[in-house]
Amino acid sequence: GAGVSQSPSNKVTEKGKDVELRCDPISGHTALYWYRQSLGQGLEFLIYFQGNSAPDKSGLPSDRFSAERTGGSVSTLTIQRTQQEDSAVYLCASSDRTSTLLSQYFGPGTRLTVL
Amino acid sequence: EDQVTQSPEALRLQEGESSSLNCSYTVSGLRGLFWYRQDPGKGPEFLFTLYSAGEEKEKERLKATLTKKESFLHITAPKPEDSATYLCALNSGGSNYKLTFGKGTLLTVES
Repeated sequence: GAGVSQSPSNKVTEKGKDVELRCDPISGHTALYWYRQSLGQGLEFLIYFQGNSAPDKSGLPSDRFSAERTGGSVSTLTIQRTQQEDSAVYLCASSDRTSTLLSQYFGPGTRLTVL
Repeated sequence: EDQVTQSPEALRLQEGESSSLNCSYTVSGLRGLFWYRQDPGKGPEFLFTLYSAGEEKEKERLKATLTKKESFLHITAPKPEDSATYLCALNSGGSNYKLTFGKGTLLTVES
């Protein structure tokens, strides 16, 4: 079946501009996650959505970062007033809530470059 | 604070030369340890979940094992298509969804 999809695959923007990154989870998966992967670093947790519950935003690095999930499916990660240190690959994952422990399935990522 | 350390950072093998990748961790209350494979330009691909010390799981040429302090990913008779970055992650504590990732081991298998 279809996996997690993300768009765009690549995004180049200028410092100070806002960007929106999109994630379509696997159909039927109720949990959705955003991670950031910077060069030479491990994946960094950003935010978690589970059904209609309040999201866990504890990983968002600053108030320039926000995310929403509409209708329990598609999610958008927004970065306002982008900075060069925001350059990274942004990965989305989803999982099936009925799993004993939530095995997460990742999308291909969006590579963000801030000039 | 949970810590995950993977070694070596990079490993180069000849085709058929078996070896192991290491993931050592310090954590309180491990719920599960995960192994992922990541190809260049792609997202991580789920391989295994291990829940308790002594557990082992296998998939083709890969076998993952877990002790109370570390996990090993054994690669038997690797092929060039096994070349990738292998990531270890763990879940612990009060959350059953937050993963802490290591930086990965870049494996290159030469024919």
